Amino acid sequence: DIQMTQSPSSLSASVGDSVTMTCRASQSISRHLNWYQHKIGKAPKLLIYAASSLQTGVPSRFSGGGSGTDFTLTINSLQPEDVGTYYCQQTYSSPDFGLGTKVEIK
Amino acid sequence: QVQLQESGPGLVKPSQTLSLTCTVSGASMSGGPYYWNWIRLPAGKGLEWIGRIYPNGSTNYNPSLKSRVTISLDTSEIQFSLKVSSVTAADTAVYFCARGSSLSSYSGGWYYYYYAMDVWGQGTTVTVSS
Repeated sequence: DIQMTQSPSSLSASVGDSVTMTCRASQSISRHLNWYQHKIGKAPKLLIYAASSLQTGVPSRFSGGGSGTDFTLTINSLQPEDVGTYYCQQTYSSPDFGLGTKVEIK
Repeated sequence: QVQLQESGPGLVKPSQTLSLTCTVSGASMSGGPYYWNWIRLPAGKGLEWIGRIYPNGSTNYNPSLKSRVTISLDTSEIQFSLKVSSVTAADTAVYFCARGSSLSSYSGGWYYYYYAMDVWGQGTTVTVSS
């Protein structure tokens, strides 16, 4: 199994701030890394696939980077509607998710 | 527009079998480079991939659940199902179905294809309790 480790587990920032969260794979997964946003009671939403490709319809303030084992998701100019939990997922082998980063507004 | 909707009992007794159905609307399950997934979210924990089924009926399961899980396609080709046998309280979770797609990414003059779950249902809560 490939283990996915996300950090931090939670963060709190002000509206307009830039925030970055990380995801580390236990072995190289090339660019087979996706990011999802989940709000309670809603369907999870694909934000980024292939480590850095923005899914259609996702605001450009979201961006992803990295390859191999280390990846980042950055939200530029945090908005109130960005509150939720963000999960990374590797699809190099049997799909596995990280434990998530919970984003809150100060 | 493709939509997915989970349905099934919200309460299951311990040791019994949990059964859920995902209904797909707005697209054919048998057309396109798609596969169909089940994922769950236990309270206070992260997302856990349960398994997937391809249009030809072949399946892959999470090794930690493989002995208790069955995913199948309905002959109507608009539904797929999940069964989890011998459930315990640890199986209490919100269960989601999702479409898996092959998405293109352009780099260095080439298109590469990567898998992602691009359409999800809203989820259904299943509680295991006597």
